[in-house]
Amino acid sequence: QQKVQQSPESLIVPEGAMTSLNCTFSDSASQYFAWYRQHSGKAPKALMSIFSNGEKEEGRFTIHLNKASLHFSLHIRDSQPSDSALYLCAVTGYQNFYFGKGTSLTVIP
Amino acid sequence: DAGVTQTPRHEVAEKGQTIILKCEPVSGHNDLFWYRQTKIQGLELLSYFRSKSLMEDGGAFKDRFKAEMLNSSFSTLKIQPTEPKDSAVYLCASSPDWVQDTQYFGPGTRLLVL
Repeated sequence: QQKVQQSPESLIVPEGAMTSLNCTFSDSASQYFAWYRQHSGKAPKALMSIFSNGEKEEGRFTIHLNKASLHFSLHIRDSQPSDSALYLCAVTGYQNFYFGKGTSLTVIP
Repeated sequence: DAGVTQTPRHEVAEKGQTIILKCEPVSGHNDLFWYRQTKIQGLELLSYFRSKSLMEDGGAFKDRFKAEMLNSSFSTLKIQPTEPKDSAVYLCASSPDWVQDTQYFGPGTRLLVL
């Protein structure tokens, strides 16, 4: 069974900081990697996704995937208080998919 | 386009009761998922349907949890009988194709079992 783990569990950063969230997985055949953001009391919402090794940037957000090291990450440039939320990583393998337990991010003004 | 809708938004049940949660996926999506979310366990998959066929029945959740997809636009999750440990947020999500596309979540049903 695939293991998906996120680190850190929680993070507090000042406004304007660069934030890095990590996700490791155990199945090297995994195909699709995504980050979801869930504001308090709201539904998770897809943020970004990637299929192949490398980086993908959308605005202040960058996703980086390294399949060989079984690791992908989300980087938030110029973090804003509105970025405060639970961030979930998701990994899709062969006939299965898993969510991590999440990283709780708090951005302090 | 309408997103995923879930009803009710809140439910309070006595231990031993039967409760039914409802979900309407995004029109045209092939895949539908039911999850339970708690702070300790995170998101736990309860059931997964592809084109109305049950693909995953949630393993450990089989005994008291039963999801059905009566048609492509409506699904229910029945919990029978409820136990206090079932208190959680129940999320429904749909996707065009889970292998290569994101899941779209509904607002959830917050269940409290007394």
